[in-house]
Amino acid sequence: AQTVTQSQPEMSVQEAETVTLSCTYDTSESDYYLFWYKQPPSRQMILVIRQEAYKQQNATENRFSVNFQKAAKSFSLKISDSQLGDAAMYFCAYRFFGNEKLTFGTGTRLTIIP
Amino acid sequence: NAGVTQTPKFRILKIGQSMTLQCTQDMNHNYMYWYRQDPGMGLKLIYYSVGAGITDKGEVPNGYNVSRSTTEDFPLRLELAAPSQTSVYFCASSLRPDRVYEQYFGPGTRLTVT
Repeated sequence: AQTVTQSQPEMSVQEAETVTLSCTYDTSESDYYLFWYKQPPSRQMILVIRQEAYKQQNATENRFSVNFQKAAKSFSLKISDSQLGDAAMYFCAYRFFGNEKLTFGTGTRLTIIP
Repeated sequence: NAGVTQTPKFRILKIGQSMTLQCTQDMNHNYMYWYRQDPGMGLKLIYYSVGAGITDKGEVPNGYNVSRSTTEDFPLRLELAAPSQTSVYFCASSLRPDRVYEQYFGPGTRLTVT
């Protein structure tokens, strides 16, 4: 069974600094997708960034980028120039190609210090 | 587009009562999902549907039922509510899973069973 592990329950960062959230996963599959979702206090789940496992190039979306290490089964999220609006729970998620099921990690609560 | 809408936003049930959580999407997505999120945890899949008339169990289906009579609607039924069903429930929808399509989430329903 696939599992997703986020080993940092809480992280904090000064405003305008850079922070990296860790995620590791366990799978025997070679073709899959990885996602980072943000959940602010409003509870709404918002997609931050996605990565296809067959792509070697790391995904980037403005201030958000990932470090995807397929052999190590690692998928970390880097947030540059942190802003107060980045404060939220961040969930890493895995989905096998062609499978409907998203497997989530337990989340990392990110606090931004003004 | 309203996206994925859920009603109600909050509900308190007594043990043994029943209720239906409503979910509607206007994006013409075939795939729909129900998740629950317990405090401090990631989301876990309860049921999903790949199209009208087709549903299947996820990780934690016990105590729940679903139906999918239309593409737009995917209600979740709780029969004989128990305190263990106290959680936040999210409905989501997506396009086909053989691409890196994201799942779009509703705003959630906070359910308390006392």
